[in-house]
Amino acid sequence: GENVEQHPSTLSVQEGDSAVIKCTYSDSASNYFPWYKQELGKGPQLIIDIRSNVGEKKDQRIAVTLNKTAKHFSLHITETQPEDSAVYFCAAISILHYDVYSGGGADGLTFGKGTHLIIQP
Amino acid sequence: EAEVAQSPRYKITEKSQAVAFWCDPISGHATLYWYRQILGQGPELLVQFQDESVVDDSQLPKDRFSAERLKGVDSTLKIQPAELGDSAMYLCASSLASGRDTGELFFGEGSRLTVL
Repeated sequence: GENVEQHPSTLSVQEGDSAVIKCTYSDSASNYFPWYKQELGKGPQLIIDIRSNVGEKKDQRIAVTLNKTAKHFSLHITETQPEDSAVYFCAAISILHYDVYSGGGADGLTFGKGTHLIIQP
Repeated sequence: EAEVAQSPRYKITEKSQAVAFWCDPISGHATLYWYRQILGQGPELLVQFQDESVVDDSQLPKDRFSAERLKGVDSTLKIQPAELGDSAMYLCASSLASGRDTGELFFGEGSRLTVL
């Protein structure tokens, strides 16, 4: 099965600086890589994702890069703000090709262990 | 905005007791997942449903855990008997899972279980 490694486990940055979180995956069949943000006492929430046919994706202050050859992907947050403080999880999944009989679907996401991002004022 | 509903939010029980968690996915979402999240770790898949059918329960400890989604809508996860090591957050998620746009999971706020 898939194995996702995430580093670092804790990251402290000054407000306004950039933060980078890195993940590696083991299954070459994985083709969808979402990033989730989890605030205290809440469920994870998708913040950005990337598919294997794309090398980089950006959404305002956050961006994700993917290196399929090396099997690693990274989350970049620029101009960090206090509200960025949370636990961030990377994940990987192999999305099955849509099948009209099975209704499509995907294997369950495999998550990394999470990175606790602390934004220092 | 549509949300995944879970109850109860918190449950404290003694070991050997039975516990049950309920999840109501976003309307129209065919795929439903139960994840377990131990404090300080990422969520781990327990069971995945496509409509009312189990797609993957390979990580579900079947001697004590059971899950059902009888009508393909809401779902129940049961633990009997509960053990100390079951203390965790139990997260329910749903997704459309309908073709190439599948993949985004919407999570509920979870049910935190403490076993004493």
